[in-house]
Amino acid sequence: GAVVSQHPSRVICKSGTSVKIECRSLDFQATTMFWYRQFPKQSLMLMATSNEGSKATYEQGVEKDKFLINHASLTLSTLTVTSAHPEDSSFYICSASASGTSYEQYFGPGTRLTVT
Amino acid sequence: GENVEQHPSTLSVQEGDSAVIKCTYSDSASNYFPWYKQELGKRPQLIIDIRSNVGEKKDQRIAVTLNKTAKHFSLHITETQPEDSAVYFCAATLSASGGSYIPTFGRGTSLIVHP
Repeated sequence: GAVVSQHPSRVICKSGTSVKIECRSLDFQATTMFWYRQFPKQSLMLMATSNEGSKATYEQGVEKDKFLINHASLTLSTLTVTSAHPEDSSFYICSASASGTSYEQYFGPGTRLTVT
Repeated sequence: GENVEQHPSTLSVQEGDSAVIKCTYSDSASNYFPWYKQELGKRPQLIIDIRSNVGEKKDQRIAVTLNKTAKHFSLHITETQPEDSAVYFCAATLSASGGSYIPTFGRGTSLIVHP
């Protein structure tokens, strides 16, 4: 149980284009989803927290107009990187939590984004 | 906000030895402390966690201790095996308004177990 999928696993896009990454909880309802960015050999940097049906809460320094997050249902959250630039190249990982009283997070497999 | 420090950044041990990774946190309101194992190119996997009302928890070769007064918690791996080699992350979770919560991760420890 508690499986989270992420799509695509890898994406290469040209500078200036937008990329959408999907995060799905396959066998549970995710009231909260988190989006992280991870650079090589570094920690998970929390970008934003989203609760179903609410606007995402972004961490300091993360541009909400550049990283659009939508959590339209209890099983799906999307992250759209708008007008991507090479410095946006990174490993993006989502995680989901099942209920308001459980803090356990289940991570997706990640998406490797390369902007050329 | 919360600040989590994790040490060491790299830990090299011989197979069969014990490994200890330590984390400190800054916000005494944090109440949930998970540990994740991440193998290269893969997702982080929860290996053990502890809540603030418990001082120690053990699961086979893995144990976690929490000292709320000192605001630090540690991961202990006994009888290490080569397959334990990975990056380990600690996290401190802080409850936020509206029932939400915010996890803060440490920088990670690269554990290398030599056969």
